[in-house]
Amino acid sequence: DTGVSQDPRHKITKRGQNVTFRCDPISEHNRLYWYRQTLGQGPEFLTYFQNEAQLEKSRLLSDRFSAERPKGSFSTLEIQRTEQGDSAMYLCASSPALEIIYGYTFGSGTRLTVV
Amino acid sequence: AQTVTQSQPEMSVQEAETVTLSCTYDTSESDYYLFWYKQPPSRQMILVIRQEAYKQQNATENRFSVNFQKAAKSFSLKISDSQLGDAAMYFCAYRTQGGSEKLVFGKGTKLTVNP
Repeated sequence: DTGVSQDPRHKITKRGQNVTFRCDPISEHNRLYWYRQTLGQGPEFLTYFQNEAQLEKSRLLSDRFSAERPKGSFSTLEIQRTEQGDSAMYLCASSPALEIIYGYTFGSGTRLTVV
Repeated sequence: AQTVTQSQPEMSVQEAETVTLSCTYDTSESDYYLFWYKQPPSRQMILVIRQEAYKQQNATENRFSVNFQKAAKSFSLKISDSQLGDAAMYFCAYRTQGGSEKLVFGKGTKLTVNP
């Protein structure tokens, strides 16, 4: 296993278009997280899955955002009707059940630019 | 709501010297966890060190150590014998012990290591 994989690495889209990002966690990790990082800021929590169940969502996750993790494996994050303010790095992380001990393993992120 | 503050946007250190990065946080909880994450220019975040609030002993990982002052809500990171590979953004993060799974990050400190 080579770590957390995110695809694509970069995405440029026109305002109003829909985009979807994919995250493949480490296979034995049952927890998966999405964070958003804008320039000059630390990552901000978006949502968290334990297996296929979405257990926590931030108020940052507006109705234009939706995340899924079918079968508890990979996850997708979709943004509908993108806005310029959605431009950011979207980070995915995974962890085993004892994430307090082992911490997250982050992916390299998907950089979204909305023009 | 918990907040994490990193008051030093940028720091620099000479190779082989020691540098301390500051972090303060605000919480009304007594049980929580604190982390330092490193984000090199490749953007993949890596866990550096973690501290459980109930432990009085400061955590140490090789050249990295923390000074955890619970009453002052301070959690600084000391990097000894700095190496060129230590150059990165460093983020302080907070996680409650119960309830929410999210990490709350500070804005980060950019560390430059001069040869």
